[in-house]
Amino acid sequence: DVKVTQSSRYLVKRTGEKVFLECVQDMDHENMFWYRQDPGLGLRLIYFSYDVKMKEKGDIPEGYSVSREKKERFSLILESASTNQTSMYLCASSFPAWTGRTEAFFGQGTRLTVV
Amino acid sequence: AQSVAQPEDQVNVAEGNPLTVKCTYSVSGNPYLFWYVQYPNRGLQFLLKYITGDNLVKGSYGFEAEFNKSQTSFHLKKPSALVSDSALYFCALLTGAGSYQLTFGKGTKLSVIP
Repeated sequence: DVKVTQSSRYLVKRTGEKVFLECVQDMDHENMFWYRQDPGLGLRLIYFSYDVKMKEKGDIPEGYSVSREKKERFSLILESASTNQTSMYLCASSFPAWTGRTEAFFGQGTRLTVV
Repeated sequence: AQSVAQPEDQVNVAEGNPLTVKCTYSVSGNPYLFWYVQYPNRGLQFLLKYITGDNLVKGSYGFEAEFNKSQTSFHLKKPSALVSDSALYFCALLTGAGSYQLTFGKGTKLSVIP
């Protein structure tokens, strides 16, 4: 089975802290993604990466950065956490769409609360 | 611009009855369409996908979806609902083989009433 593992299920951080969310996948997927999920807004893409050291902004990159030093690991960084970043964060990975194996696999999510 | 719409925030259905969760899409090219399910405080699980071929796609847990190009729809269906099907369902769109970004609908909460 494909496994996408996020380092924490629940996190509570203080305003202004630097926060690291880690994601590891074991399926040798080229693509990795970070989404945030908020009620009534669905899933919104923050950043994605299609290769090691490559990153692209999604729909809502402000206040976030990412790092992909190894193929299996994709980190999301909140440079200075703010209360409006309280949310559920979901990591996903997939093969490139041209392979036909297009479905993304998701981690269990990290519920981040910034106080 | 590509988009996905799930017109119903919530769908209620009695156990044993057929269920439908609606999805419509807008895209300039050929769509790749997906359904995912999310149980409380969990990540999303893949249910099924349409890329090409038969318009009726079968997936996990007895779910199926019908791709209708003329109506730009991809509705999720199940002949007989179970209480355990109660969850949040998301439709998603990928705009073809060269694209990376999945576009999600806002989700539909399905409640199956015993």
